[in-house]
Amino acid sequence: QSALTQPASVSGSPGQSSTISCSGTSSDVGSYDLVSWYQQHPGKAPKLILYEGTYRPSGVSDRFSGSKSGNTASLTISGLQAEDEADYYCCSYAGSSTWVFGGGTKLTVL
Amino acid sequence: QVQLQESGPGLVKPSETLSLTCTVSGGSITTDYWSWVRQPPGKGLEWIGYIYYTGSSNYNPSLKSRVTISIDTSKNHFSLNLSSVTAADTAVYYCAGLRTSRFGQWGQGTLVTVSS
Repeated sequence: QSALTQPASVSGSPGQSSTISCSGTSSDVGSYDLVSWYQQHPGKAPKLILYEGTYRPSGVSDRFSGSKSGNTASLTISGLQAEDEADYYCCSYAGSSTWVFGGGTKLTVL
Repeated sequence: QVQLQESGPGLVKPSETLSLTCTVSGGSITTDYWSWVRQPPGKGLEWIGYIYYTGSSNYNPSLKSRVTISIDTSKNHFSLNLSSVTAADTAVYYCAGLRTSRFGQWGQGTLVTVSS
């Protein structure tokens, strides 16, 4: 069970969009529509922002959206704001009642 | 709104057992699955394992030989034991609620340092 692959960092200017990829395998991301995404600000606990690939929990901005193609899931943040600057993690169900996280991506809002 | 709070020693000696407890408040521990996730300093998240109120549990294969997660429904808490710890087990340990493959609620996390 290997960690999902995310870019170490991405950046974007306020108002622009930024996309973070999450690459897995046919045993995890590719087999299940059970990818979730988490936002983590420094020194804070992760916060769920998307689940089952595309669904937002109550209270999460609709600027966050998700998609999947094959073994790769993506998180898109539109209309970037300074408060979006954080670390983002994907997570996928990996079968046999196990879960695997991505390595994390640091989003910088320029 | 369910809240989770981790508790336990912040310092553990190498080769000893790390023990943490997560207390669930504002809701029943019988409604969800419960999980432990850790994050070494400056690194990413790692799923450790989960437990259901029935006692059914499963663990990350990479940690399975050293991990035990237990639950006490009368106290509304669940616990993590990680044996034979080394410096590589130094991390912030989070407890989290797990529902339909999403970790919806998280504790604030507790830093556990493995050092003599």
